[in-house]
Amino acid sequence: GAGVSQSPSNKVTEKGKDVELRCDPISGHTALYWYRQSLGQGLEFLIYFQGNSAPDKSGLPSDRFSAERTGGSVSTLTIQRTQQEDSAVYLCASSRDSSNQPQHFGDGTRLSIL
Amino acid sequence: GDSVTQMEGPVTLSEEACLTINCTYTATGYPSLFWYVQYPGEGLQLLLKATKADDKGSNKGFEATYRKETTSFHLEKGSVQVSDSAVYFCALGFGNEKLTFGTGTRLTIIP
Repeated sequence: GAGVSQSPSNKVTEKGKDVELRCDPISGHTALYWYRQSLGQGLEFLIYFQGNSAPDKSGLPSDRFSAERTGGSVSTLTIQRTQQEDSAVYLCASSRDSSNQPQHFGDGTRLSIL
Repeated sequence: GDSVTQMEGPVTLSEEACLTINCTYTATGYPSLFWYVQYPGEGLQLLLKATKADDKGSNKGFEATYRKETTSFHLEKGSVQVSDSAVYFCALGFGNEKLTFGTGTRLTIIP
């Protein structure tokens, strides 16, 4: 499709399990971003990729969170040993590689930790 | 650090009323400014943007002007419709770097 694609759309898992969230950006977009949206916290930045490298990881909340991007395209956000406070909607966005280009968002993955 | 403060909601208006959602920012330098909208059950969409002082962004009857002197980017629409009911987010960003969002304003338009 033409937009940012995220999978799964919903994920329910038990506390302590690991989860992987996937993002497929718009073709040709070299910049990729992960955010999360939770009640009471609004929209928080997690990590930014330019190509396969991550110049800004400052938003990752703990070392349980990691992300990678391969081939300058698909990205995976991994949360290890999930906690209930990780419950949120995880949003991925992508943009073209030039200044001031708008970010285009996917529909998100709703993660619920039981 | 950078921050965005926007009008707290929820905001409820009658159809055809005039809308203003206030947004102010704090940043070192001159960021680009954005309004994103999230319709019920849908993802976040760019509504409009402005990249430098005095620029006016506009889309779907909405407008916002980048005011450097007041560090503001208020969203306005002269006559709202029921279909405008959504959550609106003000945001700032530098180049290709991360966006910093406000907390969002839920708008409900009553027929």
